[in-house]
Amino acid sequence: EAAVTQSPRSKVAVTGGKVTLSCHQTNNHDYMYWYRQDTGHGLRLIHYSYVADSTEKGDIPDGYKASRPSQENFSLILELASLSQTAVYFCASSLDTYAEQFFGPGTRLTVL
Amino acid sequence: QQKVQQSPESLIVPEGGMASLNCTSSDRNVDYFWWYRQHSGKSPKMLMSIFSNGEKEEGRFTVHLNKASLHTSLHIRDSQPSDSALYLCAASRGSGTYQRFGTGTKLQVVP
Repeated sequence: EAAVTQSPRSKVAVTGGKVTLSCHQTNNHDYMYWYRQDTGHGLRLIHYSYVADSTEKGDIPDGYKASRPSQENFSLILELASLSQTAVYFCASSLDTYAEQFFGPGTRLTVL
Repeated sequence: QQKVQQSPESLIVPEGGMASLNCTSSDRNVDYFWWYRQHSGKSPKMLMSIFSNGEKEEGRFTVHLNKASLHTSLHIRDSQPSDSALYLCAASRGSGTYQRFGTGTKLQVVP
C-alpha cells in the first residue's frame, strides 16, 4: 500500500523560531503537497511540487517555504514561526493532479 | 479563485438512515471531483471519485455528478456509526492543476 510518512508527529515551537516539517513517500509519485488544516477551513494547499528541485505556491504560501531535494522527500519550512501557524499539517502524494492523493498521518504544530 | 462549497456543515442521521452531502464548485472549468473521508484524529482517505455526468455506486456509497451545475453529491445508505467522520469534497480542472478542497461536512451517525 502507498506510504507517506511525516516527522515529527507533533511539535511545540516558539514564536520567531524556525520549524522544519519533513515528509517522505515510497509511492514513486511525482506530485507532493503540503496542506494545513484548521477547524472550519478544510484543507488548504500551501505548496506543492511535481519534480525534484522545484516547488510551486499553493493558495496560502505566505510565511512558508518548501524544499523538494528528491522525488521521495518534501519539506515545509517556517523561517519565523507565528501564533497563526498553529495547525495540523498534512503531506500528501499523488501520481498526477487528477489522481487520488495519499496522505501522511499529519503533524500537529503548536506555536507559543 | 475557485471555491468549493459544501453543505450542510454538519449532519446527524440515525443508524440505518440515509445521509446526503452536497458539493458545488464555482469554477466552470472544473472536470474532476473527489470525496475524501477523515475520521477524527486521522488523515483523509479517498472514498470515491467521479469524472463523468451521472452516478457511481460502490457498496453503500453513491456519488452523483451534474457537470452543467458543477454539483456533486454523496449519499450513504444504511449509515453506520463508523461512518461518523468529516467528509471533504475536492475539485480540479484536470492534469496539471491541483485539487481544491471544501471545508467539509461533519457527519454524525447516532445509534
